[in-house]
Amino acid sequence: QVQLVASGGGVVQPGTSLRLSCVASGFTFSSYGMHWVRQAPGKGLEWVAVIWYDGSNKYYAESVKGRFTISRDNSKNTHFLQMDDLRNEDTAVYYCAREEGGFSGNGWGQGTLVTVSS
Amino acid sequence: QSALTQPPSASGSPGESVTISCTGTSNDVGGYNYVSWYQQHPGKAPKLLIYEVRERPSGVPGRFSGSKSGNTASLTVSGLQAEDEADYYCSSYADSKTVLFGGGTKLAVL
Repeated sequence: QVQLVASGGGVVQPGTSLRLSCVASGFTFSSYGMHWVRQAPGKGLEWVAVIWYDGSNKYYAESVKGRFTISRDNSKNTHFLQMDDLRNEDTAVYYCAREEGGFSGNGWGQGTLVTVSS
Repeated sequence: QSALTQPPSASGSPGESVTISCTGTSNDVGGYNYVSWYQQHPGKAPKLLIYEVRERPSGVPGRFSGSKSGNTASLTVSGLQAEDEADYYCSSYADSKTVLFGGGTKLAVL
């Protein structure tokens, strides 16, 4: 079955960078788009970014555009979220999910917590 | 862009049906058949229930159904069960190549 394992979270100071990874198994990774979605503590879900199955298209939420970069390595069944110039409001659990159709996410991983604090 | 609008709470008794609404605009819900619904239990990752308005991923019970009329999408949970008590979120593809989520609805099974 679909398994996604996110990692790379931690506690960082404002203005610094962090790179999240999501390793996929149980499906043909190179055939699917992949999403990142985040959830601030006690809050709702916020979509962050999506990358096409071949990396040809990448879309971002306005709140992270210009600061975050999504990428993938199909040879390693892994996709990434490079987060630069982090802000306090980026504090959240970051989930990765597989595109199921119509910009929906399926098979969500357990998430990785990013805390931005001075 | 603003988040989609969901009622903060909903409730029903076991065996009943409950419908949760998700209101957007012609730039998102009304403009595309790309509405999804998710269920999230406390401390757990979200689970996809519905995609492309009314399609169910494999393994999702038929008790969960989706529909759309104009700028409002709906999720109906039929034959409510205790384990359906959770938070429910809608999402939609929107202009500017983004995805919007609703604020979430807490469903209580009385």
